[in-house]
Amino acid sequence: DAKTTQPTSMDCAEGRAANLPCNHSTISGNEYVYWYRQIHSQGPQYIIHGLKNNETNEMASLIITEDRKSSTLILPHATLRDTAVYYCIAHGSGNTGKLIFGQGTTLQVKP
Amino acid sequence: GAGVSQSPSNKVTEKGKDVELRCDPISGHTALYWYRQSLGQGLEFLIYFQGNSAPDKSGLPSDRFSAERTGGSVSTLTIQRTQQEDSAVYLCASSPRHNNEKLFFGSGTQLSVL
Repeated sequence: DAKTTQPTSMDCAEGRAANLPCNHSTISGNEYVYWYRQIHSQGPQYIIHGLKNNETNEMASLIITEDRKSSTLILPHATLRDTAVYYCIAHGSGNTGKLIFGQGTTLQVKP
Repeated sequence: GAGVSQSPSNKVTEKGKDVELRCDPISGHTALYWYRQSLGQGLEFLIYFQGNSAPDKSGLPSDRFSAERTGGSVSTLTIQRTQQEDSAVYLCASSPRHNNEKLFFGSGTQLSVL
């Protein structure tokens, strides 16, 4: 799986959009971009994934650049409950099932 | 239940004792994963099952660690002769099938080895 690089931490004001970047410059054609988050003392939670088109669901939007070397997870209206560690993972559908979680970005939503 | 269930939620044991951690995946999910997370660290992959077989055991840290899955459902992670460095949160996840990377995680078992 391609290596991903994320900022260690970010702050966001409550009610504003949180934009979390991820670099995956060596991503290959069959690798999807997955986002998970882990709220303190809980197991990780799936958020969204995509291949090359932008994706949106009830939790977030995922914007993938045309060259697929980077992506941004957008939480449109961050709340205090969105404070968590956010993991960006590049993973090929043909690879073995395990997802490799890096250190992620700690997002702190502030009142 | 609707989600992945792990038991016990907390386990305190003495160094040298054996422990068993249990995972009940979501009904019908064929793939099951074990991870562990040491304090302040990221998730470390241990093993995954497809049905009752374990195609990838590459993350098990030593031969003191083993896991099995029976009936394509419940899985047990066993740690023999526990050491203090085994202290961590052990997380289980399941997914509907292999290569479906939408994993559903349990809340984990906090293992403390004294």
